[in-house]
Amino acid sequence: SQQGEEDPQALSIQEGENATMNCSYKTSINNLQWYRQNSGRGLVHLILIRSNEREKHSGRLRVTLDTSKKSSSLLITASRAADTASYFCATDSLSGGYNKLIFGAGTRLAVHP
Amino acid sequence: GAVVSQHPSWVICKSGTSVKIECRSLDFQATTMFWYRQFPKQSLMLMATSNEGSKATYEQGVEKDKFLINHASLTLSTLTVTSAHPEDSSFYICSARPGLGGREQFFGPGTRLTVL
Repeated sequence: SQQGEEDPQALSIQEGENATMNCSYKTSINNLQWYRQNSGRGLVHLILIRSNEREKHSGRLRVTLDTSKKSSSLLITASRAADTASYFCATDSLSGGYNKLIFGAGTRLAVHP
Repeated sequence: GAVVSQHPSWVICKSGTSVKIECRSLDFQATTMFWYRQFPKQSLMLMATSNEGSKATYEQGVEKDKFLINHASLTLSTLTVTSAHPEDSSFYICSARPGLGGREQFFGPGTRLTVL
């Protein structure tokens, strides 16, 4: 099952520009996490924001969380060609007696030199 | 940091055969492990949750007789795709949560299964 949607599905920008990806979810959460995946490879954990936090920074990454709207955004500033990857949000919530991580549909980011 | 390994990293098999994929937590004990499936250009879909020493809990629509999960120890979970067919070809990713109530989840590198 998937928790929600991400938009845009695909994003193409030039190096140096900022990239913003949005994620919406449906149920209450413990935290929300963002992951990166290069084509055909494993996941890289980027950042975790707890349900009682509204904003978090890590290097060039900025994540916001609005629990009233059940949405989050990931901003990558001053993008680089190496940022080209798929980005997924994942919500950590209690379901069926277990804490599960459910992924959004993902945004494919292409950063052109 | 916590490391999760998967073996094999890729496998090609003939239709009708069974394939076993191993997921190991290398430097921590994982009470709970998860199995995900990812089709090309799609997201990760949670297949099942397994706890050490008990039966796995499968997500809706996942055939438990098709995808056998065994979590025999605190460091090893296995996924067996039985009687594999071409539509089972996918990227299978496991993850592990250390201890009880742990929030962090560590992902394996994935196993690419191709069924001919």
